[in-house]
Amino acid sequence: ETGVTQSPTHLIKTRGQQVTLRCSSQSGHNTVSWYQQALGQGPQFIFQYYREEENGRGNFPPRFSGLQFPNYSSELNVNALELDDSALYLCASSLDFGDNEQFFGPGTRLTVL
Amino acid sequence: GESVGLHLPTLSVQEGDNSIINCAYSNSASDYFIWYKQESGKGPQFIIDIRSNMDKRQGQRVTVLLNKTVKHLSLQIAATQPGDSAVYFCAENRRSGGGADGLTFGKGTHLIIQP
Repeated sequence: ETGVTQSPTHLIKTRGQQVTLRCSSQSGHNTVSWYQQALGQGPQFIFQYYREEENGRGNFPPRFSGLQFPNYSSELNVNALELDDSALYLCASSLDFGDNEQFFGPGTRLTVL
Repeated sequence: GESVGLHLPTLSVQEGDNSIINCAYSNSASDYFIWYKQESGKGPQFIIDIRSNMDKRQGQRVTVLLNKTVKHLSLQIAATQPGDSAVYFCAENRRSGGGADGLTFGKGTHLIIQP
């Protein structure tokens, strides 16, 4: 167990809806990254938050947004859900910006119908 | 394009044998590589990492080899056990200091252990 927790475990939404996923980083970690993992694929980087600011972004549209709170927990928000958004959403925390080792949570399985 | 990928989607080995999982990368600027293990229903678990100024690194029952000449990375697991069954991903971080690019993952190799 890495100490990174995510909620909810599973979620079912319909096209056009909005969803918020939550992540608590490992104690003492101030950097959180979010990844999308489609079935049978490797995780893809969405964005990273460091000290409450977005610190970098992968190839995802603006309807994917996030927040980081003073306690370093984080949220991933997805608006106008599409069928292709169905995936496992992973949160990873690291001790500090620049620390290579990322500790992953168990993920949230999102199904869009 | 710049990508990290794996040669085989599935690898089946006998319990007790050694396993070798391969990975090719195309970005010569990559300077840090990581192997992750992902069991069903769980997030990726860090196994071992290696920087580009090294060509070999050993852990407990695992060894990572890096060949920068041919841009090839491998993970060797000694005396494979049933608990090693999982999908294995190689990943690269193109900035040694970590940073905002995130990790770039390959598609994964499913390791199956035969009794």
